[in-house]
Amino acid sequence: QVQLVQSGAEVKKPGASVKVSCKASEDTFTNYHINWVRQATGQGLEWMGWMNPNSGTTGYAKNFQGRVTMTRDTATTTAYMELSNLRSEDTAVYYCARTGNSGYDYWGQGTLVNVSS
Amino acid sequence: YELTQPPSVSVSPGQTARITCSGDALAVQFVYWYQQKPGQAPVVVIYKDSERPSGIPERISGSSSGTTVTLTISGVQAEDEADYYCQASDSSGIWVFGGGTKLTVL
Repeated sequence: QVQLVQSGAEVKKPGASVKVSCKASEDTFTNYHINWVRQATGQGLEWMGWMNPNSGTTGYAKNFQGRVTMTRDTATTTAYMELSNLRSEDTAVYYCARTGNSGYDYWGQGTLVNVSS
Repeated sequence: YELTQPPSVSVSPGQTARITCSGDALAVQFVYWYQQKPGQAPVVVIYKDSERPSGIPERISGSSSGTTVTLTISGVQAEDEADYYCQASDSSGIWVFGGGTKLTVL
Protein backbone atom coordinates (compact mmCIF):
# COMPACT_ATOMS: atom_id res chain seq x y z
CA GLN A 1 0.00 0.00 0.00
CA VAL A 2 1.38 3.36 -1.04
CA GLN A 3 1.78 5.95 1.69
CA LEU A 4 2.93 9.54 1.50
CA VAL A 5 4.09 10.81 4.88
CA GLN A 6 4.68 14.51 5.27
CA SER A 7 6.75 16.46 7.75
CA GLY A 8 5.22 18.19 10.74
CA ALA A 9 3.62 21.57 11.22
CA GLU A 10 5.70 24.71 10.84
CA VAL A 11 5.47 28.24 12.19
CA LYS A 12 7.32 30.84 10.18
CA LYS A 13 7.72 34.60 10.19
CA PRO A 14 6.90 36.72 7.15
CA GLY A 15 9.78 36.80 4.70
CA ALA A 16 11.14 33.42 5.78
CA SER A 17 11.15 30.16 3.80
CA VAL A 18 9.63 26.79 4.58
CA LYS A 19 10.59 23.36 3.26
CA VAL A 20 8.03 20.57 3.51
CA SER A 21 8.94 16.94 2.88
CA CYS A 22 6.86 14.09 1.53
CA LYS A 23 8.25 10.57 1.94
CA ALA A 24 6.86 7.83 -0.30
CA SER A 25 6.72 4.33 1.11
CA GLU A 26 7.38 2.59 -2.18
CA ASP A 27 10.27 1.76 -4.42
CA THR A 28 8.35 2.95 -7.51
CA PHE A 29 8.85 6.54 -6.36
CA THR A 30 10.39 7.58 -9.68
CA ASN A 31 7.46 6.24 -11.72
CA TYR A 32 4.85 8.84 -10.74
CA HIS A 33 4.73 12.62 -10.63
CA ILE A 34 4.43 14.27 -7.24
CA ASN A 35 2.19 17.32 -6.98
CA TRP A 36 1.80 19.93 -4.28
CA VAL A 37 -1.59 21.36 -3.41
CA ARG A 38 -2.43 23.81 -0.66
CA GLN A 39 -5.63 24.75 1.13
CA ALA A 40 -6.15 27.77 3.33
CA THR A 41 -8.65 27.38 6.16
CA GLY A 42 -12.17 27.32 4.79
CA GLN A 43 -10.93 27.75 1.23
CA GLY A 44 -10.61 25.56 -1.83
CA LEU A 45 -7.75 23.51 -3.21
CA GLU A 46 -4.95 25.40 -4.95
CA TRP A 47 -2.53 23.52 -7.20
CA MET A 48 1.08 24.68 -6.80
CA GLY A 49 3.08 22.50 -9.15
CA TRP A 50 4.37 19.07 -10.11
CA MET A 51 7.68 17.25 -10.17
CA ASN A 52 8.89 14.22 -12.07
CA PRO A 53 10.96 12.36 -9.45
CA ASN A 54 12.81 10.45 -12.15
CA SER A 55 14.18 13.44 -14.04
CA GLY A 56 13.67 16.23 -11.53
CA THR A 57 11.67 18.17 -14.12
CA THR A 58 9.14 20.55 -12.62
CA GLY A 59 6.14 22.63 -13.62
CA TYR A 60 4.83 25.43 -11.43
CA ALA A 61 1.57 27.35 -11.30
CA LYS A 62 2.00 30.95 -12.37
CA ASN A 63 0.98 32.19 -8.93
CA PHE A 64 4.04 30.54 -7.40
CA GLN A 65 6.70 30.89 -10.05
CA GLY A 66 9.79 32.51 -8.57
CA ARG A 67 8.86 31.53 -5.00
CA VAL A 68 8.47 27.74 -5.08
CA THR A 69 11.07 25.05 -5.64
CA MET A 70 10.29 21.35 -5.85
CA THR A 71 13.08 18.82 -5.45
CA ARG A 72 13.59 15.19 -4.57
CA ASP A 73 15.99 12.69 -3.07
CA THR A 74 15.58 9.40 -4.89
CA ALA A 75 17.76 7.55 -2.38
CA THR A 76 15.23 8.23 0.38
CA THR A 77 12.14 8.39 -1.90
CA THR A 78 11.39 11.85 -0.54
CA ALA A 79 9.99 14.87 -2.35
CA TYR A 80 10.40 18.41 -1.09
CA MET A 81 8.55 21.67 -1.61
CA GLU A 82 10.21 24.91 -0.56
CA LEU A 83 8.26 28.17 -0.55
CA SER A 84 10.18 31.39 0.00
CA ASN A 85 9.35 34.97 0.96
CA LEU A 86 6.40 33.80 3.02
CA ARG A 87 3.49 36.10 3.76
CA SER A 88 0.43 35.69 5.94
CA GLU A 89 -1.64 34.61 2.94
CA ASP A 90 0.57 31.51 2.65
CA THR A 91 -0.88 30.14 5.88
CA ALA A 92 -2.45 26.88 4.77
CA VAL A 93 -2.34 23.11 4.83
CA TYR A 94 0.08 21.85 2.19
CA TYR A 95 -0.48 18.44 0.63
CA CYS A 96 1.65 16.27 -1.60
CA ALA A 97 -0.22 13.96 -3.95
CA ARG A 98 0.81 11.32 -6.47
CA THR A 99 -0.43 11.41 -10.06
CA GLY A 100 -1.51 7.85 -10.72
CA ASN A 101 -3.53 6.30 -13.50
CA SER A 102 -6.75 7.51 -11.89
CA GLY A 103 -5.74 11.04 -11.01
CA TYR A 104 -4.23 12.07 -7.70
CA ASP A 105 -4.66 8.64 -6.19
CA TYR A 106 -2.57 8.98 -3.02
CA TRP A 107 -2.25 12.02 -0.80
CA GLY A 108 -0.09 12.91 2.14
CA GLN A 109 -1.73 13.73 5.46
CA GLY A 110 -1.10 17.45 5.01
CA THR A 111 1.31 19.87 6.71
CA LEU A 112 0.08 23.04 8.36
CA VAL A 113 2.27 26.05 7.68
CA ASN A 114 1.41 29.06 9.82
CA VAL A 115 2.97 32.37 8.80
CA SER A 116 2.75 34.86 11.62
CA SER A 117 4.83 37.68 13.01
CA TYR B 1 -7.68 28.99 -17.37
CA GLU B 2 -10.52 28.56 -14.91
CA LEU B 3 -12.97 25.89 -13.88
CA THR B 4 -16.31 27.11 -12.55
CA GLN B 5 -18.43 25.23 -10.03
CA PRO B 6 -21.55 26.26 -8.09
CA PRO B 7 -20.60 27.09 -4.49
CA SER B 8 -23.28 24.86 -3.03
CA VAL B 9 -25.81 22.16 -3.82
CA SER B 10 -28.43 20.87 -1.41
CA VAL B 11 -30.50 17.70 -1.73
CA SER B 12 -32.61 15.49 0.50
CA PRO B 13 -31.55 11.92 1.22
CA GLY B 14 -32.41 9.56 -1.62
CA GLN B 15 -32.53 12.32 -4.21
CA THR B 16 -30.04 12.92 -7.02
CA ALA B 17 -27.34 15.56 -6.71
CA ARG B 18 -25.73 17.07 -9.77
CA ILE B 19 -22.61 19.20 -9.56
CA THR B 20 -21.37 20.94 -12.68
CA CYS B 21 -17.94 22.14 -13.69
CA SER B 22 -17.42 24.34 -16.71
CA GLY B 23 -14.38 25.63 -18.54
CA ASP B 24 -13.16 26.07 -22.09
CA ALA B 25 -10.39 23.50 -21.65
CA LEU B 26 -12.87 20.79 -20.78
CA ALA B 27 -13.75 20.32 -24.42
CA VAL B 28 -10.37 18.66 -24.92
CA GLN B 29 -9.09 17.72 -21.48
CA PHE B 30 -10.22 15.04 -19.04
CA VAL B 31 -11.77 16.04 -15.75
CA TYR B 32 -11.15 14.48 -12.37
CA TRP B 33 -13.46 14.81 -9.36
CA TYR B 34 -12.38 14.77 -5.71
CA GLN B 35 -14.43 14.42 -2.55
CA GLN B 36 -13.12 16.08 0.59
CA LYS B 37 -14.59 15.67 4.05
CA PRO B 38 -13.66 18.00 6.93
CA GLY B 39 -10.16 17.46 8.24
CA GLN B 40 -9.30 14.89 5.56
CA ALA B 41 -7.27 14.85 2.37
CA PRO B 42 -9.26 14.73 -0.87
CA VAL B 43 -10.18 11.40 -2.44
CA VAL B 44 -10.60 10.89 -6.19
CA VAL B 45 -14.12 9.69 -7.00
CA ILE B 46 -14.15 10.08 -10.80
CA TYR B 47 -11.25 10.17 -13.24
CA LYS B 48 -11.06 10.82 -16.97
CA ASP B 49 -14.57 12.33 -17.01
CA SER B 50 -16.52 9.18 -16.16
CA GLU B 51 -14.29 6.40 -14.81
CA ARG B 52 -14.79 5.28 -11.24
CA PRO B 53 -11.87 4.07 -9.08
CA SER B 54 -12.28 0.83 -7.23
CA GLY B 55 -14.10 1.26 -3.95
CA ILE B 56 -16.20 4.20 -5.12
CA PRO B 57 -19.96 3.44 -5.06
CA GLU B 58 -21.72 2.98 -8.38
CA ARG B 59 -24.17 5.72 -7.47
CA ILE B 60 -21.37 8.23 -8.13
CA SER B 61 -20.93 8.89 -11.83
CA GLY B 62 -19.50 11.46 -14.19
CA SER B 63 -20.45 12.72 -17.63
CA SER B 64 -19.20 15.27 -20.10
CA SER B 65 -20.81 17.47 -22.73
CA GLY B 66 -18.73 20.05 -24.51
CA THR B 67 -17.22 22.46 -22.02
CA THR B 68 -19.30 21.26 -19.07
CA VAL B 69 -18.85 18.13 -17.01
CA THR B 70 -21.25 16.85 -14.38
CA LEU B 71 -20.76 14.78 -11.25
CA THR B 72 -23.94 12.91 -10.41
CA ILE B 73 -24.66 11.24 -7.10
CA SER B 74 -27.80 9.12 -7.19
CA GLY B 75 -29.65 8.11 -4.05
CA VAL B 76 -27.71 10.60 -1.95
CA GLN B 77 -26.80 9.45 1.53
CA ALA B 78 -25.71 11.41 4.58
CA GLU B 79 -22.15 10.16 4.08
CA ASP B 80 -22.00 11.97 0.73
CA GLU B 81 -22.05 15.35 2.43
CA ALA B 82 -18.67 16.85 1.55
CA ASP B 83 -16.88 19.35 -0.65
CA TYR B 84 -16.39 18.30 -4.26
CA TYR B 85 -13.71 19.66 -6.57
CA CYS B 86 -13.24 19.24 -10.28
CA GLN B 87 -9.74 19.29 -11.75
CA ALA B 88 -8.23 19.39 -15.19
CA SER B 89 -4.91 20.09 -16.83
CA ASP B 90 -3.98 22.12 -19.87
CA SER B 91 -1.84 20.86 -22.71
CA SER B 92 1.38 21.92 -20.94
CA GLY B 93 0.69 19.87 -17.82
CA ILE B 94 -0.48 22.74 -15.62
CA TRP B 95 -3.35 21.65 -13.38
CA VAL B 96 -6.27 23.69 -12.09
CA PHE B 97 -8.97 22.98 -9.51
CA GLY B 98 -12.45 24.34 -9.61
CA GLY B 99 -13.53 26.48 -6.68
CA GLY B 100 -15.33 23.59 -5.03
CA THR B 101 -18.97 22.77 -4.32
CA LYS B 102 -20.32 22.09 -0.86
CA LEU B 103 -22.88 19.30 -1.02
CA THR B 104 -25.38 19.50 1.84
CA VAL B 105 -27.68 16.58 2.58
CA LEU B 106 -30.81 18.06 4.11
